[in-house]
Amino acid sequence: ETGVTQTPRHLVMGMTNKKSLKCEQHLGHNAMYWYKQSAKKPLELMFVYSLEERVENNSVPSRFSPECPNSSHLFLHLHTLQPEDSALYLCASSQDGGRQPQHFGDGTRLSIL
Amino acid sequence: KQEVTQIPAALSVPEGENLVLNCSFTDSAIYNLQWFRQDPGKGLTSLLLIQSSQREQTSGRLNASLDKSSGRSTLYIAASQPGDSATYLCAVPSGSARQLTFGSGTQLTVLP
Repeated sequence: ETGVTQTPRHLVMGMTNKKSLKCEQHLGHNAMYWYKQSAKKPLELMFVYSLEERVENNSVPSRFSPECPNSSHLFLHLHTLQPEDSALYLCASSQDGGRQPQHFGDGTRLSIL
Repeated sequence: KQEVTQIPAALSVPEGENLVLNCSFTDSAIYNLQWFRQDPGKGLTSLLLIQSSQREQTSGRLNASLDKSSGRSTLYIAASQPGDSATYLCAVPSGSARQLTFGSGTQLTVLP
């Protein structure tokens, strides 16, 4: 099993659709993260969960809704997205405390029509 | 607010060259710095993490240095190979310490 697994790898959806991105980590970590990577821009942190509680929310629009049912799984629920939301969405995990390296999945490439 | 800058944005070198990638940050109150590699269409692979108490970290042909006082880090790649072609990103924790602030990356191409 790879450390951090994201599904699906690619997703195309219309602006009125509802979909979810899934992330699973097999590293025994207790913190999980969602990042957004747009073309020509640095990675942007969206959400942080520590011990299944959301501890960071970087002014992300409400059309993105995270869920962390347990320390191994993280979801990003999407609804009524805009074309500018097209990006690579990366999940990461770490042992909490901020001093440990973050390990990333391969991302979901999202395209909004 | 922490800002991270990477220079150059792109670099193309012939195989076998030694090269240096640069990373600078505005707030020197960091306790570590992480270097990542990203291949096209892929996620990030952690290469090296340097704690603030360290000045260098080495892994194989990679050597990363950290100078907190000047707000700089370098990633040295020895004897570059075409397989080293990728985008290299540096990141530092900021704010609550769980947040990583990333640079825009250096896109490296090693020509055979």
